[in-house]
Amino acid sequence: NAGVTQTPKFQVLKTGQSMTLQCAQDMNHEYMSWYRQDPGMGLRLIHYSVGAGITDQGEVPNGYNVSRSTTEDFPLRLLSAAPSQTSVYFCASTGYGLAGGGEQFFGPGTRLTVL
Amino acid sequence: GENVEQHPSTLSVQEGDSAVIKCTYSDSASNYFPWYKQELGKRPQLIIDIRSNVGEKKDQRIAVTLNKTAKHFSLHITETQPEDSAVYFCAASLSGSARQLTFGSGTQLTVLP
Repeated sequence: NAGVTQTPKFQVLKTGQSMTLQCAQDMNHEYMSWYRQDPGMGLRLIHYSVGAGITDQGEVPNGYNVSRSTTEDFPLRLLSAAPSQTSVYFCASTGYGLAGGGEQFFGPGTRLTVL
Repeated sequence: GENVEQHPSTLSVQEGDSAVIKCTYSDSASNYFPWYKQELGKRPQLIIDIRSNVGEKKDQRIAVTLNKTAKHFSLHITETQPEDSAVYFCAASLSGSARQLTFGSGTQLTVLP
């Protein structure tokens, strides 16, 4: 199993450009989520999905859109990139496990710079 | 919403000594508390977790304690080794599982040889 994969690994955008960060998992997990990681601030939840066709906002959703058409894929779209969106983005997935929930697995991350 | 505070932000210990990292949470209904280790340039990885019906959990050199009354939980690493050097994050969830986690701001642990 590849686990959770993300593409691209690195990306540089200009202010106002749009792009999609790709995330896929092959563990048949129902729950997937996107975080951003900024220095000194830990990981903050952007959006999450509890299954195909269902998405919801996390702590910092503004400027980002998501969709979940399949169990495997959970892309994150930046509609109009801003310098404040410069960050490292992690996708994660969690399956149902014993006692209410399994381990959360993170992808390798995408380092995004917006100029 | 939930708020998680983590202390200290940096911690240096001598190899072989113990390290303790503490987190407090704001929502008394939180019921799942994982700890993640993140090495430089890598993804976070779960090292231990605890649920609210348990006061302490151990896994070899790592232990986590939970005080629900005081709303705080701590990570204890004994007999530290240089490979323990990393950033450690605590988190809390109301869902009883690793879903909709709120993370602390992280602790940079350095183990000096």
